[in-house]
Amino acid sequence: AQSVAQPEDQVNVAEGNPLTVKCTYSVSGNPYLFWYVQYPNRGLQFLLKYITGDNLVKGSYGFEAEFNKSQTSFHLKKPSALVSDSALYFCAVRVLYTGGFKTIFGAGTRLFVKA
Amino acid sequence: NAGVMQNPRHLVRRRGQEARLRCSPMKGHSHVYWYRQLPEEGLKFMVYLQKENIIDESGMPKERFSAEFPKEGPSILRIQQVVRGDSAAYFCASSRGGEGTGELFFGEGSRLTVL
Repeated sequence: AQSVAQPEDQVNVAEGNPLTVKCTYSVSGNPYLFWYVQYPNRGLQFLLKYITGDNLVKGSYGFEAEFNKSQTSFHLKKPSALVSDSALYFCAVRVLYTGGFKTIFGAGTRLFVKA
Repeated sequence: NAGVMQNPRHLVRRRGQEARLRCSPMKGHSHVYWYRQLPEEGLKFMVYLQKENIIDESGMPKERFSAEFPKEGPSILRIQQVVRGDSAAYFCASSRGGEGTGELFFGEGSRLTVL
């Protein structure tokens, strides 16, 4: 079965420190991987994606993610966390169907950044 | 360029009533997805629609739930005879589809409360 896993329910980090939010996936074929962020009472916003090419992908708000094929991982990173980064983060994998695609989301990881 | 529009943002229903949630995709998008998010949980895929077609409804409960995306007008997620367990946030997302860039654009969600 094609799936995506986020092993941590919550990540706590101090402002100014680097942060990592973990994601692993299981797909057949080439993976198309995404990160989204959700602020309270809002919809999800796209952060970044990996389709092909360079394993290090840069996205919005200073976030980046590293695709690692051998470890089937796509961890989200940021060199220096901000309090405003506190939110719910979702890793997702795009699954191809005939005529379209479907995106499957991980359970989400809540990031708390303390001042 | 308006984003994905969902209404109502908040809906309160008594057990046994019907709930209708509407979603207008972004201009130029012909693929619509509905997801359900329970409190403190991730997003669960419900249904994937294109104009006048249901592509994948594998995430829809077998009874009481239905979805449509007519040729004209918004996509509708309909829940008949609501129960307390239907209380959740329902998110609609759209994409250009096909060989597009792949990321989803989300609405702000419709929060259903069943009394």
